[in-house]
Amino acid sequence: DSGVTQTPKHLITATGQRVTLRCSPRSGDLSVYWYQQSLDQGLQFLIHYYNGEERAKGNILERFSAQQFPDLHSELNLSSLELGDSALYFCASSVWSSYNSPLHFGNGTRLTVT
Amino acid sequence: AQTVTQSQPEMSVQEAETVTLSCTYDTSESDYYLFWYKQPPSRQMILVIRQEAYKQQNATENRFSVNFQKAAKSFSLKISDSQLGDAAMYFCASNRDDKIIFGKGTRLHILP
Repeated sequence: DSGVTQTPKHLITATGQRVTLRCSPRSGDLSVYWYQQSLDQGLQFLIHYYNGEERAKGNILERFSAQQFPDLHSELNLSSLELGDSALYFCASSVWSSYNSPLHFGNGTRLTVT
Repeated sequence: AQTVTQSQPEMSVQEAETVTLSCTYDTSESDYYLFWYKQPPSRQMILVIRQEAYKQQNATENRFSVNFQKAAKSFSLKISDSQLGDAAMYFCASNRDDKIIFGKGTRLHILP
C-alpha cells in the first residue's frame, strides 16, 4: 500500500459530461502529480502541485484543470469529455517538489467515456 | 524537450535467466535522477530502483541493478534470476523542471 488514495476507482460517463477525480497524498507528502495512461501507453504527465501551488504543467488539455487544497488533497477536473479521454488516471505524491523524491502512486482511477 | 526512450516494446526471458532492458534519455540538466518503475497486471506503479546522476556507482536493489552510462545518456535495467512475478511493464523515467517524464515502457514476459 503506497499510502496514496484515489477515488473513485472506476468511473463511467458519457461524452460531454464533467467528472472530478480525487487524490489524497501520503501523509507528509507535499507534492502531487497527475498522469494519464491510455490503453497500453506510457504515462503522460499532466500537472504537478507543491503545497498548493502549481509547479509544472505538461500537455494538459484546456478542458482539464486541477488544484491542490490546503489539506493537500488534489482534484483533477475533466470537462466536455470525449471518447479519447478514456484512460487510467494516476495520482502520485512525493515529499518535496525536487527531483530526488521518488513518486508514490495511487491505484489510479479508470475513466470510461461512452 | 526532454525525452526518455525505451527501444524495446517487448522482451521475453526464461525463468531464472538474466535480462537487460534499455533506456536512453536526453536532458540538459547538470544534476538529475533516473528511475525504473514496474507496472504489473494490477496496473499499480512500483518503484524498482533509482540512480542519482552525480553518483558514478551503479544502483543495486537485490536482483535489480542498473548500468548507468552518463556520457552516453544510457540507463539500462538488469534483472537477474528472473522470476514469474517480474512479468510486467517496465518504465524508465527521468526528472526535469519539476516533472518526471516516463518512457513508453517495455513489456517483459517471463517464460516458465
